[in-house]
Amino acid sequence: KQEVTQIPAALSVPEGENLVLNCSFTDSAIYNLQWFRQDPGKGLTSLLLIQSSQREQTSGRLNASLDKSSGRSTLYIAASQPGDSATYLCAVNSGYSTLTFGKGTMLLVSP
Amino acid sequence: DVKVTQSSRYLVKRTGEKVFLECVQDMDHENMFWYRQDPGLGLRLIYFSYDVKMKEKGDIPEGYSVSREKKERFSLILESASTNQTSMYLCASRLGVARGGGTDTQYFGPGTRLTVL
Repeated sequence: KQEVTQIPAALSVPEGENLVLNCSFTDSAIYNLQWFRQDPGKGLTSLLLIQSSQREQTSGRLNASLDKSSGRSTLYIAASQPGDSATYLCAVNSGYSTLTFGKGTMLLVSP
Repeated sequence: DVKVTQSSRYLVKRTGEKVFLECVQDMDHENMFWYRQDPGLGLRLIYFSYDVKMKEKGDIPEGYSVSREKKERFSLILESASTNQTSMYLCASRLGVARGGGTDTQYFGPGTRLTVL
């Protein structure tokens, strides 16, 4: 059964810092991997989706990479801002139309 | 933009009540999903549906049922609510294919915070 782990569970950084969030998964036979953002008490917003054949995806200050063979993905946030404060979730699609989620990394960016 | 709406943001019910949570999407998506989210446990899949009148159990279906009579609407039913069903419930939809991984992102609704007293 697929398991997804996110490290660290929480992260606090000063504004302007570049940071990396980590995601690992146990079964490398995946269709795609998604990164989501969740603000407190709200639903999830999709940030980036990486297909299994891709190595990375970029959107603005966000860059997500995928190393399927090693079961790892990273989300890189450049020049962090207080508005980036949220919980970031990684989710893996292993081919049955459903996603397996990590428990998330809670990010706090202080001014 | 895809829009997924849920009937209530906050709901308070009594133990033993029958509870209906409604989810509607406006993009003709085939796949719809119900998750619950609890601190320390993350998101867990309750049920999902490939198409109208089709449903599949997720990881934690016990105590829940679902209904999908129309493509745009997916309902989660708690037949007899219990306190351990107090949680945040999230609905999602995806264009996808009937089975298999698909290549599309899931779009989430804003969530319903259910409290069972």
